[in-house]
Amino acid sequence: DAGVIQSPRHEVTEMGQEVTLRCKPISGHDYLFWYRQTMMRGLELLIYFNNNVPIDDSGMPEDRFSAKMPNASFSTLKIQPSEPRDSAVYFCASSRRGGTSDTQYFGPGTRLTVL
Amino acid sequence: AQSVSQHNHHVILSEAASLELGCNYSYGGTVNLFWYVQYPGQHLQLLLKYFSGDPLVKGIKGFEAEFIKSKFSFNLRKPSVQWSDTAEYFCAVNAQSSASKIIFGSGTRLSIRP
Repeated sequence: DAGVIQSPRHEVTEMGQEVTLRCKPISGHDYLFWYRQTMMRGLELLIYFNNNVPIDDSGMPEDRFSAKMPNASFSTLKIQPSEPRDSAVYFCASSRRGGTSDTQYFGPGTRLTVL
Repeated sequence: AQSVSQHNHHVILSEAASLELGCNYSYGGTVNLFWYVQYPGQHLQLLLKYFSGDPLVKGIKGFEAEFIKSKFSFNLRKPSVQWSDTAEYFCAVNAQSSASKIIFGSGTRLSIRP
């Protein structure tokens, strides 16, 4: 299996622009997670899905952030409009069952820089 | 609310030295505990995990961690580090009452001098 795939790996954009990050989970995994990693705040869970349905989005920082999972093999995280403080590495992870005994597998991350 | 504290932000060791990275969590209920590692330029990988049973957990690459419930701790250890252990290490906790939601610590950067 190719593992969790994220694109793009790097994104540089200007403040006010829309940014879309993409994730393909491991086939057969029912849970998908979006995390943000910054020096100041460490690794934060933004939102997670079970069978394409958002379960907990309490970590989404504000309305500028939105996430969708139209099918079992694809998810997007969108920031509109983007701001310099959104600069971070965004990780996607997936797990088979998502319960307390399962392991999350992380993608390589997207490094976002907002100028 | 759950939280995880990693007290050492940056640890520098020489090869063959022994390692112990501290991790404390705050949650009164039953928890699952994890250590993840992020090598330079790579994504997070699971090093080891504790769900139940023997509180001394052995992971990959010679790492182990001990769950001490009375101290709310899950410290990571390795008796003899190698240069290739240079990475960032994250402790994480998942309360069994909030399935799937894992809270990560801020991470400890480990630098090994060859």
